[in-house]
Amino acid sequence: KQEVTQIPAALSVPEGENLVLNCSFTDSAIYNLQWFRQDPGKGLTSLLLIQSSQREQTSGRLNASLDKSSGRSTLYIAASQPGDSATYLCAVRPAETSGSRLTFGEGTQLTVNP
Amino acid sequence: GAGVSQTPSNKVTEKGKYVELRCDPISGHTALYWYRQSLGQGPEFLIYFQGTGAADDSGLPNDRFFAVRPEGSVSTLKIQRTERGDSAVYLCASSLSIEFREQFFGPGTRLTVL
Repeated sequence: KQEVTQIPAALSVPEGENLVLNCSFTDSAIYNLQWFRQDPGKGLTSLLLIQSSQREQTSGRLNASLDKSSGRSTLYIAASQPGDSATYLCAVRPAETSGSRLTFGEGTQLTVNP
Repeated sequence: GAGVSQTPSNKVTEKGKYVELRCDPISGHTALYWYRQSLGQGPEFLIYFQGTGAADDSGLPNDRFFAVRPEGSVSTLKIQRTERGDSAVYLCASSLSIEFREQFFGPGTRLTVL
């Protein structure tokens, strides 16, 4: 059974700092990995999706890397801003063709202080 | 056009009652997913549909939970004889197809069972 772990559970940083969020998964047979942002009381917003054949994806100040063999992904946020404060979730999709469910980690709650 | 929508946004019910939660996917998306998110946890998979049929319902916790998608668009998640442990945010997502990679999430329905 796939298990996804995110470290740290919570992180508080001053504005402008670069930071890294970590995600690990136990079964390396994944189709892709997706990073989401969730604001309090809201749904999930997709940030980046990395296919299993890819090493990284970038969008603006965000960069996500994937090391499938070691079961790890990182989300790098450059020059953090107070508006980045949210919970960040990673999720993996299994590799088998019939599988489409996402398995989520418990999230990292990020607070960026002005 | 619009993203995934879910109604109601909040639902308060009494233990033992029946509830229905509705999801309107993005127009043209053939795959639809239901997840449940408890406080402080990541979302957990419940069921997904490809068209009208449930392709995988292995995440439904017990036979009190049932979901339908009769015309391959709108889906309804039905919970019978609600229990306090059913209290959670129920999230719906859709994707262009099961093969298409990215899932787009709605804002969720917060269910509270008193």
